[in-house]
Amino acid sequence: GAVVSQHPSRVICKSGTSVKIECRSLDFQATTMFWYRQFPKQSLMLMATSNEGSKATYEQGVEKDKFLINHASLTLSTLTVTSAHPEDSSFYICSATRAGTAAQADTQYFGPGTRLTVL
Amino acid sequence: AQTVTQSQPEMSVQEAETVTLSCTYDTSESNYYLFWYKQPPSRQMILVIRQEAYKQQNATENRFSVNFQKAAKSFSLKISDSQLGDTAMYFCAPHAQGGSEKLVFGKGTKLTVNP
Repeated sequence: GAVVSQHPSRVICKSGTSVKIECRSLDFQATTMFWYRQFPKQSLMLMATSNEGSKATYEQGVEKDKFLINHASLTLSTLTVTSAHPEDSSFYICSATRAGTAAQADTQYFGPGTRLTVL
Repeated sequence: AQTVTQSQPEMSVQEAETVTLSCTYDTSESNYYLFWYKQPPSRQMILVIRQEAYKQQNATENRFSVNFQKAAKSFSLKISDSQLGDTAMYFCAPHAQGGSEKLVFGKGTKLTVNP
């Protein structure tokens, strides 16, 4: 159990366009979802935390208007990169926590990631 | 605030041997968890092992075990009988108790298992 999917796995877009990435918890209800970005050979950097039906909490330095997060249901969160530019090219990863025991609630399960390339 | 230090950027080990990855952290939280995640070349983050900070007993998961020294804020990962599939980036991460709390990742250790 605790499978998280992401779609698409890879996307290439032109500069100035918007791209939407979906994150789904397939076999559990996600109490909280997280969005990370990862540059090559670097660690994961948390971008934002979202709870279903609430506004996302963004980390310092992350532009809210550029990276729109919607968490419409307990199994789906979306990240929209608006007016994408080449510097937004990165690997974006989502994770989710599930309701249950304290240990389960505090464990993040990760999606496979989305590689975004902006030309 | 939490900080994590993984002092070994890269390590290598021969297949079937044992290797230990180090991690030290700093946290002001009294209740927290510690995690090791691996990220193989596929880039899928995979949970390796989890330790509750209030437990004195070190967590084990098959070939993976930890040496948790709470006072020293040290959380090392031991991999026994290393396999080629263990080749990956390994990230240590403390996590304050609470499902909305964030993971704070170290910079990672790149482990290569050689045949």
